[in-house]
Amino acid sequence: DTEVTQTPKHLVMGMTNKKSLKCEQHMGHRAMYWYKQKAKKPPELMFVYSYEKLSINESVPSRFSPECPNSSLLNLHLHALQPEDSALYLCASSQGGALGQTNTEAFFGQGTRLTVV
Amino acid sequence: GEDVEQSLFLSVREGDSSVINCTYTDSSSTYLYWYKQEPGAGLQLLTYIFSNMDMKQDQRLTVLLNKKDKHLSLRIADTQTGDSAIYFCAENDDGGFKTIFGAGTRLFVKA
Repeated sequence: DTEVTQTPKHLVMGMTNKKSLKCEQHMGHRAMYWYKQKAKKPPELMFVYSYEKLSINESVPSRFSPECPNSSLLNLHLHALQPEDSALYLCASSQGGALGQTNTEAFFGQGTRLTVV
Repeated sequence: GEDVEQSLFLSVREGDSSVINCTYTDSSSTYLYWYKQEPGAGLQLLTYIFSNMDMKQDQRLTVLLNKKDKHLSLRIADTQTGDSAIYFCAENDDGGFKTIFGAGTRLFVKA
């Protein structure tokens, strides 16, 4: 199983709503990532969790709140978003040094296309 | 800072070879990647190369690395219409968590 599964695939939310994006992998990877991708742009790193601890926060506004409940799951809680937050949100995972292995390639999910109205 | 640059567009005829080029600035880059993104989809890892390699071949894909010039290329042999997508070059230093992506090259394949 080399899949990273993201739900939902599409999400429309109002600026006062609270919603969550979910990501799951069963590859035994110990690093998980959230990226934001605007149209025709490369992905931009938001957060990295390593061994369920937040390792990197790329100065993301607090209206985005990540959570890593266990080594297979990664959530992104959304609250009071702005229309400019509309984008494709990609989750990824990598070995992250698990089992003494070098962290090499990251595997991406299909993304959640978020529209804030 | 680190930077990865790619040309934005490439158009080829079906059956021809495509060559997508990339340059990077970080001399400590250890891993270099090519990702493919089809419309509305996530990124699919196509291949990657370690910085101590010059070439890697995987079926129709050939990756060439010129470490001296910090130049990476992806050659797709016998390009098909299904290869139409955006191709992202990316680099990572020493297997860390930060992968730097280029802007992506949009490949158009004409039938």
